[in-house]
Amino acid sequence: GQQLNQSPQSMFIQEGEDVSMNCTSSSIFNTWLWYKQDPGEGPVLLIALYKAGELTSNGRLTAQFGITRKDSFLNISASIPSDVGIYFCAGLTGTASKLTFGTGTRLQVTL
Amino acid sequence: GAGVSQSPRYKVAKRGQDVALRCDPISGHVSLFWYQQALGQGPEFLTYFQNEAQLDKSGLPSDRFFAERPEGSVSTLKIQRTQQEDSAVYLCASTPGRLAGGETQYFGPGTRLLVL
Repeated sequence: GQQLNQSPQSMFIQEGEDVSMNCTSSSIFNTWLWYKQDPGEGPVLLIALYKAGELTSNGRLTAQFGITRKDSFLNISASIPSDVGIYFCAGLTGTASKLTFGTGTRLQVTL
Repeated sequence: GAGVSQSPRYKVAKRGQDVALRCDPISGHVSLFWYQQALGQGPEFLTYFQNEAQLDKSGLPSDRFFAERPEGSVSTLKIQRTQQEDSAVYLCASTPGRLAGGETQYFGPGTRLLVL
């Protein structure tokens, strides 16, 4: 099935650094979501975006809904060890209830 | 507990065996979803229920896969004659309302299926 393209695939950063990742699609979505998945757990919602151009923050996390509706970006500021995990973007169309997930970005933080 | 629960957490099956995976959604949640997550990939949609009605099963990969939610709460995903390519984590999610648009989908921890 379709999966959204995420980059980078993985990244190693030092504690305290800022992180940027993005997600692109060939299709338009009406809602963009960012999830974090820890090992052995299901994805947990971090941020939801509902309007093209929207910029939303949740603590140290900031995400943007691209104006073309085909991309989204997630930034994490001042990373800490508990930020380690896999980050997934997901898109939702207006007519379907199912989420289309990205391929994931694995984040590892070194002290 | 208050979250989505799934059982078993781990399942090892011999090729050709049938398996049944259970999902207990959050109490009162109307919508329930099943996803398949292959190693190193994002979850992929399998099927969607609104109460007991299966409204979308477009993601089920073959007729060996069958899902039900007979009383609109607990759901079971059944895989017949398992194949090695069925090895994956099977995730269940639920939402309070009828449409998932904009609503948080609450995910369970998943069942990790390994077919030998």
